[in-house]
Amino acid sequence: EVLLVESGGGLVQPGGSLRLSCAGSGFTFSSHAMSWVRQAPGKGLEWVSGIVGSGGRTHYADSVKGRFTISRDNSKNTVYLQMNSLRAEDSALYYCAKGLVVITHFDYWGQGTLVTVSS
Amino acid sequence: DIQMTQSPSSLSASVGDRVTITCQASHDISNYLNWYQQKPGKAPKLLIYDVSNLQTGVTSRFSGSGSGTAFTFTISSLQPEDIATYYCQQYDNLPLTFGGGTKVEIK
Repeated sequence: EVLLVESGGGLVQPGGSLRLSCAGSGFTFSSHAMSWVRQAPGKGLEWVSGIVGSGGRTHYADSVKGRFTISRDNSKNTVYLQMNSLRAEDSALYYCAKGLVVITHFDYWGQGTLVTVSS
Repeated sequence: DIQMTQSPSSLSASVGDRVTITCQASHDISNYLNWYQQKPGKAPKLLIYDVSNLQTGVTSRFSGSGSGTAFTFTISSLQPEDIATYYCQQYDNLPLTFGGGTKVEIK
């Protein structure tokens, strides 16, 4: 059974940092692209960042480029999202999502970890 | 960025009704279009990928069609368990983008 478990969310002040983690199991982790997708309260879905299976290519939404960094440790079956210079508009439920070899569709999602940016 | 425009933003229909949601892309995205269902308090679930391919385990009440810039998602006979918000998503170009969502309710 494929399982994705996010962690690392919480309350942080504007300008602060957080690192999200997503542990995957039940599939060959290194063979799949992984992405982070967020959803602000009561709003729609926004793709944030993606990384291919080898970790060699990363992609970002314009709204987070230069502030967020995605990475992965295939030995730990874990993908990370380092979030710096956080803003109120980054407050959202952050989902980890599994893709195919490249970033196309997301066939499995975690339950999300909540990030709140507020003073 | 490619903008995805869904309509309607919400709809109310009776059990057994045929329901159709449209998704318009701002540029030609060929067949690089997926559909997701999100129930309240839950993570999204992939229903259809590449316009019309039903994800394993998904009911055949759901179907998709279209190409280029105009796409359609259809529920052939609305059931109470279909109450959810539905999103389209393109992957022709990064950044990936989602439509704004269509909330489906029972009348």
